[in-house]
Amino acid sequence: AQKITQTQPGMFVQEKEAVTLDCTYDTSDQSYGLFWYKQPSSGEMIFLIYQGSYDEQNATEGRYSLNFQKARKSANLVISASQLGDSAMYFCAMREGTTYYGGATNKLIFGTGTLLAVQP
Amino acid sequence: GAVVSQHPSRVICKSGTSVKIECRSLDFQATTMFWYRQFPKQSLMLMATSNEGSKATYEQGVEKDKFLINHASLTLSTLTVTSAHPEDSSFYICSATKEWNTIYFGEGSWLTVV
Repeated sequence: AQKITQTQPGMFVQEKEAVTLDCTYDTSDQSYGLFWYKQPSSGEMIFLIYQGSYDEQNATEGRYSLNFQKARKSANLVISASQLGDSAMYFCAMREGTTYYGGATNKLIFGTGTLLAVQP
Repeated sequence: GAVVSQHPSRVICKSGTSVKIECRSLDFQATTMFWYRQFPKQSLMLMATSNEGSKATYEQGVEKDKFLINHASLTLSTLTVTSAHPEDSSFYICSATKEWNTIYFGEGSWLTVV
């Protein structure tokens, strides 16, 4: 069975510093996709970044980058130059299959989340 | 801007009544949408897959007669919580896929049953 593990229930980071949020996963599938979402107190789930299991390069989206280490089954999120508005809950999620036509179901399995607090 | 819209964002209902939550894809068609439930300080748990033109697929342990899902068009899925009880109070959120590598969520709906 697929499983996502986020071992950091909460983290503090100083404004303008970088922070790494850990995520490890377990799957027997060769094809899968990994997502990171940000959930502020309002509840909405904001898509941040995606990494496919066959992608050779680590994904980057602005201040967000994903440190993908396939052999270790880890997909850590790195936020550079933290801002006060980055304070939120962060969820790592996995989908089986990397492409729609490759059999992806678009169902997501979520980790337990990491609450990030950015301090001024 | 939002690509998946959910309504209402907050709803209070009396115990024993039913409440409907809508999930719309705004500028794309979604043959499947997904409904999740989130308890306070917990992660999201998949409830069901909403299939356009056919029956929803429910995850194990989810009561299909209590959580009615209808996907009548390619842009709209509805979740109806029937005969609601206080233990149904939760945050409900839907998702849809626009491109294969981006799964978008609605704004979520906070349900309180009193």
